[in-house]
Amino acid sequence: DGGITQSPKYLFRKEGQNVTLSCEQNLNHDAMYWYRQDPGQGLRLIYYSQIVNDFQKGDIAEGYSVSREKKESFPLTVTSAQKNPTAFYLCASSIIPSGANVLTFGAGSRLTVL
Amino acid sequence: GQQLNQSPQSMFIQEGEDVSMNCTSSSIFNTWLWYKQDPGEGPVLLIALYKAGELTSNGRLTAQFGITRKDSFLNISASIPSDVGIYFCAGNNYGGSQGNLIFGKGTKLSVKP
Repeated sequence: DGGITQSPKYLFRKEGQNVTLSCEQNLNHDAMYWYRQDPGQGLRLIYYSQIVNDFQKGDIAEGYSVSREKKESFPLTVTSAQKNPTAFYLCASSIIPSGANVLTFGAGSRLTVL
Repeated sequence: GQQLNQSPQSMFIQEGEDVSMNCTSSSIFNTWLWYKQDPGEGPVLLIALYKAGELTSNGRLTAQFGITRKDSFLNISASIPSDVGIYFCAGNNYGGSQGNLIFGKGTKLSVKP
């Protein structure tokens, strides 16, 4: 079955550590996205990528980094510079950069900073 | 920046009741989407709307793209326990930066105690 796989589902991090969240899709979608979700805040865009080897900052990119070396993979690194990293992180993809097309989401990764 | 106001923030449902929620934006949208998110999972698309005035159903769900292109509503008829979750509206006007799908803050549906 085609879909988006995020891992790990749960991750704990000590302050000062970088962590990387994995996102893989087998939908052959061109565009991929990372969102952060906090209670009552809705979804906020961190980074997105429309094509391999290219990505753009979203609304809350500070303290995060991404790479897009392969079409099917878009990992997100939460760096120690992110002041409040505890959140639910959602990866998504779309056939084309989000215009008339819709986003398909992964099941999410919950990061907790101890 | 663009704003999406989604209401209500939360509501309690009793099995069999009809439910209604809506979103309004500060600017015109070309696409309205409605997603449902179960606890600890990613949002799943319920309905996509692409044309002003469009009314689309998906089982017990009905959504409409407002004629002004600045609002949309979602109705759930004869609710059942598995309808609980968070419902998000999302919109895009294509004219924004690529990837800039704007989300509402969600309507949380819970079961009446």
